[in-house]
Amino acid sequence: DAGVIQSPRHEVTEMGQEVTLRCKPISGHNSLFWYRQTMMRGLELLIYFNNNVPIDDSGMPEDRFSAKMPNASFSTLKIQPSEPRDSAVYFCATGLEGKTGELFFGEGSRLTVL
Amino acid sequence: GDSVTQMEGPVTLSEEACLTINCTYTATGYPSLFWYVQYPGEGLQLLLKATKADDKGSNKGFEATYRKETTSFHLEKGSVQVSDSAVYFCALKAGGGNKLTFGTGTQLKVEL
Repeated sequence: DAGVIQSPRHEVTEMGQEVTLRCKPISGHNSLFWYRQTMMRGLELLIYFNNNVPIDDSGMPEDRFSAKMPNASFSTLKIQPSEPRDSAVYFCATGLEGKTGELFFGEGSRLTVL
Repeated sequence: GDSVTQMEGPVTLSEEACLTINCTYTATGYPSLFWYVQYPGEGLQLLLKATKADDKGSNKGFEATYRKETTSFHLEKGSVQVSDSAVYFCALKAGGGNKLTFGTGTQLKVEL
């Protein structure tokens, strides 16, 4: 299996632009998580889905952030408009609900907002 | 709510030294406990886990024992290598679902 695939790996954009991060989960996994990692705040859970349905979005920082999972093979995290404080590494992680809780992480998308 | 507390880093050791990274937790019920490792430029990956009290998880020379009486899950290795340099995260899963609560991470640097 190819693992969790994220794109883009790196994104540099200007303040005010829309950013879309993408995630392809491991085939058969039915839970998907979006995390944000910064030096100051560490690893933060933004939102997670179970069977394509958002279960907990309490970590989404504000209305500029939105996430979708239209099917079991694809999820997006969108920031509109982006701000410099959104600069971070965004990770997607997936797992199989009902198992012992192991999550498989993608390599992350490093976002820099100028 | 559930929480994980782990020791501040960075931890700097010489090769072949002993390692202990402390981790304590607060949770309702009987959580499963995990250690994840993040190598530079990569995502997190599972290092080891324990699902009930007194279980010992082990992998790649690392060990951790689930201690319910002290609510701890300390990570240990008898002899570290330069290749062990990474950030280590303690985490717990309580109740149903796959949601993990992570600690803040501890950076380990191993020098020759």
